[in-house]
Amino acid sequence: NAGVTQTPKFRVLKTGQSMTLLCAQDMNHEYMYWYRQDPGMGLRLIHYSVGEGTTAKGEVPDGYNVSRLKKQNFLLGLESAAPSQTSVYFCASSSRATGAGELFFGEGSRLTVL
Amino acid sequence: SQQGEEDPQALSIQEGENATMNCSYKTSINNLQWYRQNSGRGLVHLILIRSNEREKHSGRLRVTLDTSKKSSSLLITASRAADTASYFCATGASAAGNKLTFGGGTRVLVKP
Repeated sequence: NAGVTQTPKFRVLKTGQSMTLLCAQDMNHEYMYWYRQDPGMGLRLIHYSVGEGTTAKGEVPDGYNVSRLKKQNFLLGLESAAPSQTSVYFCASSSRATGAGELFFGEGSRLTVL
Repeated sequence: SQQGEEDPQALSIQEGENATMNCSYKTSINNLQWYRQNSGRGLVHLILIRSNEREKHSGRLRVTLDTSKKSSSLLITASRAADTASYFCATGASAAGNKLTFGGGTRVLVKP
């Protein structure tokens, strides 16, 4: 049982390049989330989805786009990477709205933008 | 903005000692959760306490919640080197659309 899998685990980009982070979960969860983690800042919510075909903005959505075409996958895209987007990105999923249940996290994707 | 704020930011103890960390928050919540993160890994859920609960236990973990003071504490008893990690509190609140809001974390070092 893989749980939540993120790819790639590491990536280095140049300013202005684009990329997509893939999150896959095999727990049949409705809710999926993308967070970024920066030193001393905890985790901040970028975008989330409450079901297949839905997406919504979180706390820090600017510069990112997401898609949830399949229930098990949640993609995070950077159209034009900036150094401020250097961070560790975490995907998480939940069977219930997070007000009611726990989040299951992936191992993270470390992105460096030069 | 961060809803939960952990205190202290860092904690160093000897194996066998207890570790206590606190979390304060600003608005009314539905529940509060604690997570552990080992270095370079994802977060792992430890315990959830609802707003109408005052205390919960899970193994060597004890969590308290004081909604009048808008604070929670996590106690790890008889700590082990394997407890070395960062610990985060996260609050779920209707005002936040029932999305979890994380604090900055407490880094715990347990020395053997």
